[in-house]
Amino acid sequence: ELYLVQSGAEVKKPGESLKISCKDSTYSFPNYWIGWVRQVSGKGLEWMGVIYPGDSDTRYSPSFQGQVTISADKSTRTAYLQWYSLKASDSAMYYCARLWGAGGSPKAALERWGQGTLVTVSS
Amino acid sequence: QSVLTQPPSVSGAPGQTVTISCTGSSSNIGAGCDVHWYQHLPGAAPKLLIYRDTNRPSGVPDRFSGSKSGTSASLAITGVQAEDEADYYCQSCDSSLSGSLFGGGTKLTVL
Repeated sequence: ELYLVQSGAEVKKPGESLKISCKDSTYSFPNYWIGWVRQVSGKGLEWMGVIYPGDSDTRYSPSFQGQVTISADKSTRTAYLQWYSLKASDSAMYYCARLWGAGGSPKAALERWGQGTLVTVSS
Repeated sequence: QSVLTQPPSVSGAPGQTVTISCTGSSSNIGAGCDVHWYQHLPGAAPKLLIYRDTNRPSGVPDRFSGSKSGTSASLAITGVQAEDEADYYCQSCDSSLSGSLFGGGTKLTVL
């Protein structure tokens, strides 16, 4: 069962903006941290940041702070990852995942994963 | 180079036990940060194998086990199978971060 459904693949040009989404099919969305993970082709997983939809508390990896914006909409049970000006180096697969444990830690394990959104940035 | 160091590759024949290490420091694993492990098969989303050092989520075969000592953690696969061929990642926190980080990943080849 796919608890987190991500938006489809995107092809963008450098300098364009983009917002990808991650919709939770359950009604417990406000109570669990949601995280974003990047994987550049041929490289490893990178922890980008997390958000607690209940109060919008957001934590970023220093590598991604200021480069992306993570947000959430409780009314639609959807988390977002946003870029204001894409670079070719943003080309990657992006996964969202729900962290372990209701009301838990932003450092918890990533329990349930979305299917991934492939972002390609090319002129 | 990641703060959490994993061997780039390990291998083993079917039925053997394979161990993947995750070496940190006194600011992460040695500071008491939990370690989690993931399996990542090509074309699929990563899958949580071990959480909080030693715990297996429901549905994960018991041939997967985790341990931690000092500034290092390990994932052991007892009786490795061809279907276990994948990339494996550890995750932990660090006192310098408000969040978490992954190790560099280890590719398991089943001979």
